[in-house]
Amino acid sequence: QSALTQPPSASGSPGQSVTISCTGTSSDVGGYKYVSWYQQHPGKAPKLLIYEVSKRPSGVPDRFSGSKSGNTASLTVSGIQAEDEADYYCSSYAGSNNVVFGGGTKLTVL
Amino acid sequence: QVQLVESGGGVVQPGGSLRLSCAASGFTFSSYGMHWVRQAPGKGLEWVAFIRYDGSHEYYADSVKGRFTLSRDNSKNTLSLQMNSLRAEDTAVYYCAKDPTVGATSPDYWGQGNLVTVSS
Repeated sequence: QSALTQPPSASGSPGQSVTISCTGTSSDVGGYKYVSWYQQHPGKAPKLLIYEVSKRPSGVPDRFSGSKSGNTASLTVSGIQAEDEADYYCSSYAGSNNVVFGGGTKLTVL
Repeated sequence: QVQLVESGGGVVQPGGSLRLSCAASGFTFSSYGMHWVRQAPGKGLEWVAFIRYDGSHEYYADSVKGRFTLSRDNSKNTLSLQMNSLRAEDTAVYYCAKDPTVGATSPDYWGQGNLVTVSS
């Protein structure tokens, strides 16, 4: 049950695009379609942004998108805005009804 | 809308016990698996445990296996986490979270969190 690997930080200016990676193994990210991304503002609960690699829940802006290649999933925020400054976490089903999270990435809007 | 409200957190001494509860509303509780996820102060998210929609099976992270017990009461729309032999490293905000399926995939809706502090 090793955590998925995310970069500790990412940044971009308003209007730019930023991509955050999430690397696992063939036993989690690479083996299942159940990869999710969450946004967490300070003191708040995580909010689901992306599920099943690339699907967006109702109400999530379409500037958030997800993808996967092999054992690495990615979250892209296009046209970032000030309110996008937050922590972002990936998660993946890891078999045997276990879930694993990434270490989190702090996105700073310059 | 989906609501998950945790309760039961607080301060407990090392080796002590605590029971967290989660009251669910706004969805058919008995049709979905449920998770507990925790976040130590200043740290990332850590999956703790999962229980299937019907309570037939529970699954635990290695860090809590043998110490924590997850249960649910579908007649009361309630999820519970019994935490025994608590350690300092169990100090965290504990989130109750719903899975979008009967089994485990990844959480979709989360509660507001409940702080557990293990300290002498």
